[in-house]
Amino acid sequence: AQSVTQLGSHVSVSEGALVLLRCNYSSSVPPYLFWYVQYPNQGLQLLLKYTTGATLVKGINGFEAEFKKSETSFHLTKPSAHMSDAAEYFCAVSQAGTALIFGKGTTLSVSS
Amino acid sequence: IAGITQAPTSQILAAGRRMTLRCTQDMRHNAMYWYRQDLGLGLRLIHYSNTAGTTGKGEVPDGYSVSRANTDDFPLTLASAVPSQTSVYFCASSLEGTDPLYGYTFGSGTRLTVV
Repeated sequence: AQSVTQLGSHVSVSEGALVLLRCNYSSSVPPYLFWYVQYPNQGLQLLLKYTTGATLVKGINGFEAEFKKSETSFHLTKPSAHMSDAAEYFCAVSQAGTALIFGKGTTLSVSS
Repeated sequence: IAGITQAPTSQILAAGRRMTLRCTQDMRHNAMYWYRQDLGLGLRLIHYSNTAGTTGKGEVPDGYSVSRANTDDFPLTLASAVPSQTSVYFCASSLEGTDPLYGYTFGSGTRLTVV
């Protein structure tokens, strides 16, 4: 069975600092991996996804993630945080024929 | 604007009452999903449908039912609401349910409180 673990339910950074949100997955077959963002009182928006090919994936708003098979990880990073990045972030895993399985989420706070 | 419409946006419901949450998409997506979001638990799949006329159970299906009579609509019904069903419910869709290459489009959610 697939599963997703997001380390840290809450991450706080200063504006301009590096953002690192951690995600580890468990899957018996090569996974498809996703990061979604949720702003307050809104639905989820796709930030980026890894399916096949290049393991470093670039998404919207300056975010990127790297698929590391040996570490079963798909951590999300951004070099310089903005106040507007404050939101909840969800990592998700899928494989052919199954619906997305989400992690429990990480709330990112950005202080000035 | 193409997307997913959920109704109502919020509802307070007496325990034991029946309630249907509505979800409509205009993107001609084949697959649709219902998730519930609870603090500290993330999103959990309730039911899904890979194509019109078919449905399947997710991680937490008990107490919920769905139907998929056509491509656009995927209503979620609580036959007899209980307080543990207090949650935010999200409907989502994707072009092909069997191919995760396609991302999901999410609705804005329905906040349901069962008292």
